[in-house]
Amino acid sequence: EVQVAQSGAEVKNPGESLEISCQGSGNDFANYWIGWVRQMPGKGLEWMAIIYLRNSDTKYSPSFQGQVTISADKSIGTAYLQWRSLKASDTAMYYCATTRNGNYRWDFWGQGTLVTVSS
Amino acid sequence: QSALTQPASVSGSPGQSITISCTGTSSDVGGYDYVSWYQQHPGKAPKVIIYDVTNRPSGVSNRFSASKSGNTASLTISGLQAEDEADYYCESFAGGVYVFGTGTKVTVL
Repeated sequence: EVQVAQSGAEVKNPGESLEISCQGSGNDFANYWIGWVRQMPGKGLEWMAIIYLRNSDTKYSPSFQGQVTISADKSIGTAYLQWRSLKASDTAMYYCATTRNGNYRWDFWGQGTLVTVSS
Repeated sequence: QSALTQPASVSGSPGQSITISCTGTSSDVGGYDYVSWYQQHPGKAPKVIIYDVTNRPSGVSNRFSASKSGNTASLTISGLQAEDEADYYCESFAGGVYVFGTGTKVTVL
């Protein structure tokens, strides 16, 4: 079975950059998509971006295009989410999730990475 | 891509059945048979309970069922139990990207 582990909580100042990670393991993991979901405090789930590990094909939700960058390293089964200049409004829990290519459900989820942006 | 519309809250007594609606457009819910439902307990990651409109992953209770008609999908929880109290989100494929619903808080009275 696939297992997913995310990097730890972060506390940052506004304007700083940040990269968080999501590492998956399992048989044939290169044939998986990894996606990032934002959940602001007390709010709902929002899809941000997804990436196909095999060829780094990426898709961004319109609200997040240009705001974050998703990338991946297939050799270690890891996807990244990067911010160049954080804002207080980026404070949220960020989940990663994975699905096998050809499936349309997100079966395996990370534990979440809490990002706090505050001066 | 706007969020799919769900009722903010639904409640029921133990043993009752409740239904949560999820309304989208022909570009998402109505255009693809790739609607999923997720259950999220406080402080936990979401868990898929329905996929491809009507299918349940292995291990998910058969008290959860779902359907779709046009641009609206629905999740029914039968025989409501205390452990069903959680937030529920629908989600649809929308041609390369995905979109979640606004979320519904289910309360077991």
